[in-house]
Order: sequence, then structure tokens, then C-alpha cells
Amino acid sequence: SQTIHQWPATLVQPVGSPLSLECTVEGTSNPNLYWYRQAAGRGLQLLFYSVGIGQISSEVPQNLSASRPQDRQFILSSKKLLLSDSGFYLCAWAGPGGEPQHFGDGTRLSIL
Amino acid sequence: SQQGEEDPQALSIQEGENATMNCSYKTSINNLQWYRQNSGRGLVHLILIRSNEREKHSGRLRVTLDTSKKSSSLLITASRAADTASYFCAVRRGYGNNRLAFGKGNQVVVIP
Repeated sequence: SQTIHQWPATLVQPVGSPLSLECTVEGTSNPNLYWYRQAAGRGLQLLFYSVGIGQISSEVPQNLSASRPQDRQFILSSKKLLLSDSGFYLCAWAGPGGEPQHFGDGTRLSIL
Repeated sequence: SQQGEEDPQALSIQEGENATMNCSYKTSINNLQWYRQNSGRGLVHLILIRSNEREKHSGRLRVTLDTSKKSSSLLITASRAADTASYFCAVRRGYGNNRLAFGKGNQVVVIP
């Protein structure tokens, strides 16, 4: 069966520090991969999605970047975190049809 | 950009009662999906209804879709305390579009 792993679960970082969040999927190949951010009490904002290795689409201009170095690995990065980068970050995968999406348990990122 | 919008935002009901949530969207869609999120966790896919379908059932869940009104409803029958969660609708805009647009979510509290 397919599983998705996302880590760390919680992260506290100072303003201006770098960020690397990792997401890996097991049990499937060539998944569509997604990074979302969820602000408190809000819906999900799609940040990046990828349909294949090295193929990244950005939905909104921001301080973050994403990379897909391997088929089932999706990384969210920042060189310098801002206070506004705080939030709950969710990774998801889907099959070639794009649905349904299966989510990891998220990373709670707090910027101090 | 198109986005699902749920209404009402928060719902508190007694165990055994039915819970109904609504979602509206603005442009044509390929399908509409409902997801559930327990506090601090990732989203879990519940049900998908395609644009040519009007009603779908899955266990205690019933989803309707009215494309003329651009709206959907999710009914949870005979609610249980374990149904306490946030519920999100998400729309897929068109064939070949691998992205979902999520609403802000409904928080449902089922009182034992």
C-alpha cells in the first residue's frame, strides 16, 4: 500500500534562517506531488506541484522554493525565513489522474 | 481564481443528529471532492462527485451536486463524536488540470 511521510512534525526557526522540509512517498511511482500551506482556521493554499522529476510549478510568488530530486521525494526550501512563513505545511500525492489526493500529517512551522 | 467556499463555518450538534455542510464555487468544474481533517493532522479524502453526477453515497455520507447553482452539500447522518473534525470541499477545474482549489473548511463538533 502507498504511504506518505513528512518530517519534521514540528519546527521552530528564527527569522532569517534556512528551511528544508522533506516529503517522501512509498508504494507508488511517478506520483503527482503537492505542497500546501494552511494558515490557522483557513483553507489550503497550493504552493507548488510537480508531475515528474525536476518539474516544478509554482502557484504563488513567495519566499519558498521546491525541488523534486527523485521520483518520490519532494522538498520545500527557503534560504531566509520570514515571519509570514509560519503555518502548517502539508505534502500530498496523487496518481496520474490527479485525484484523490493523499496527505501527510504536516509540519507545524513557527518562526520566531 | 476559483475556490470552493463552505457554509456554515462552524457547526455544533448532538450525537445522533445529522450534519449538513454546503459548498459553492464560481466556474465550471470537472469534479468536486470532500475531505476531512482532524485537528493537527493531514486531510483525508472522503468522497468525489463528478460534474455529471447529482448524488453520491458512501456509508453515512451523502453528497449532492447542483451544477446549475454551482453548489454541493455534504450530509453526515447519525453523527458520532468521532466525526468531530473540519470538512473541506475542493474543486478540480478541468480535465488535465492536476490541481485542486480548497475552501476554508467547516468545523464540526459532535457532542456526545
